[in-house]
Amino acid sequence: NAGVTQTPKFRILKIGQSMTLQCAQDMNHNYMYWYRQDPGMGLKLIYYSVGAGITDKGEVPNGYNVSRSTTEDFPLRLELAAPSQTSVYFCASSSGQGGSPLHFGNGTRLTVT
Amino acid sequence: SQKIEQNSEALNIQEGKTATLTCNYTNYSPAYLQWYRQDPGRGPVFLLLIRENEKEKRKERLKVTFDTTLKQSLFHITASQPADSATYLCAQGGDSGGYQKVTFGTGTKLQVIP
Repeated sequence: NAGVTQTPKFRILKIGQSMTLQCAQDMNHNYMYWYRQDPGMGLKLIYYSVGAGITDKGEVPNGYNVSRSTTEDFPLRLELAAPSQTSVYFCASSSGQGGSPLHFGNGTRLTVT
Repeated sequence: SQKIEQNSEALNIQEGKTATLTCNYTNYSPAYLQWYRQDPGRGPVFLLLIRENEKEKRKERLKVTFDTTLKQSLFHITASQPADSATYLCAQGGDSGGYQKVTFGTGTKLQVIP
């Protein structure tokens, strides 16, 4: 009963490097989300997807890219890492029924130096 | 754009008392509000959902209200316990961004003092 799995748990990047944060869910959920959380702040929506092949921007999409080729996976790509992208990243999924709860992974802590 | 605001960054309360957390939204009413609990180093966990046409929902020691006139939701924990200490997040969905576009407030850190 894995739920939402995020890898890696921790990562340190140098400025200008790129990486992909992985997110997988095994609940057959249509909706998936990426959020970032900075210290003392709430969750900011980066991108979300309502199904395979469909993605849309959230509140803070700049510097990030996503793809959704399968129902299960929703990777988040950072192309040119910047210190401002130092944050904890959370992936979530939901069934898409109105108001259905989001199920979160335990996050990826990313530091860009 | 629509914003969700949780005015209190932190709330300290004595064990056994009722904790009340506030969530305000600007402009138009979201279709629903959700409340989540987040413990340090973990992802948020869903607690309660309340829809626009509902005034109150309860679950065990938890109660949430939705007042469209005041543009506010209140989240109550009765008979609070030290184990209730955590950060509580309010989230909205169903605004003009789409029914399942869920955005969050900044959270309130609750500390229950024994």
